[in-house]
Amino acid sequence: NAGVTQTPKFRILKIGQSMTLQCAQDMNHNYMYWYRQDPGMGLKLIYYSVGAGITDKGEVPNGYNVSRSTTEDFPLRLELAAPSQTSVYFCASRQALNSNQPQHFGDGTRLSIL
Amino acid sequence: AQKITQTQPGMFVQEKEAVTLDCTYDTSDQSYGLFWYKQPSSGEMIFLIYQGSYDEQNATEGRYSLNFQKARKSANLVISASQLGDSAMYFCAMREKNTGNQFYFGTGTSLTVIP
Repeated sequence: NAGVTQTPKFRILKIGQSMTLQCAQDMNHNYMYWYRQDPGMGLKLIYYSVGAGITDKGEVPNGYNVSRSTTEDFPLRLELAAPSQTSVYFCASRQALNSNQPQHFGDGTRLSIL
Repeated sequence: AQKITQTQPGMFVQEKEAVTLDCTYDTSDQSYGLFWYKQPSSGEMIFLIYQGSYDEQNATEGRYSLNFQKARKSANLVISASQLGDSAMYFCAMREKNTGNQFYFGTGTSLTVIP
């Protein structure tokens, strides 16, 4: 019963490097989300997807890109890492059939840009 | 304007006592949902309770209940009989139908249960 799986759990990047944060869910959820959580703050939405092939920007999309080629996977790409992107990144998924369905979260990826 | 406001950065409660964590929200949507999540120091996000905008009864889940006052746009979380394991960050979130089912999170309240 994996739920939402994020890899890697930790990563240190140098300024200007790029990387992809992986997110996979095995619950056949339509909706998937990427958030960032800065220290002492709540979650801010980066991108979300309502189904395969459909993505949309959230509150803080600059510096990130996403794709949704399958229902299961929703990778987040950082092209030119900047210190401001140091954060904890959470992926979440949700079944859209019922309005009372909560988001299911992965365990997060701690990313430091030095 | 903030969609979700949590005005209590930190709260303390004695073990076995009840505590209320405040949450106010801002929306012009008629259809929305309110969620509370718990984030322990280990970092995972745990769903606690849900309240729909059309629900007439306050939601309850075990020791968690939601004091929903629609006219005041508040959705306060009540934890009864606090336990040491309740020490964590608590986030209030809202889903609006009109904004594509995005979720908006508050800045959270840090709860510490004192033995």
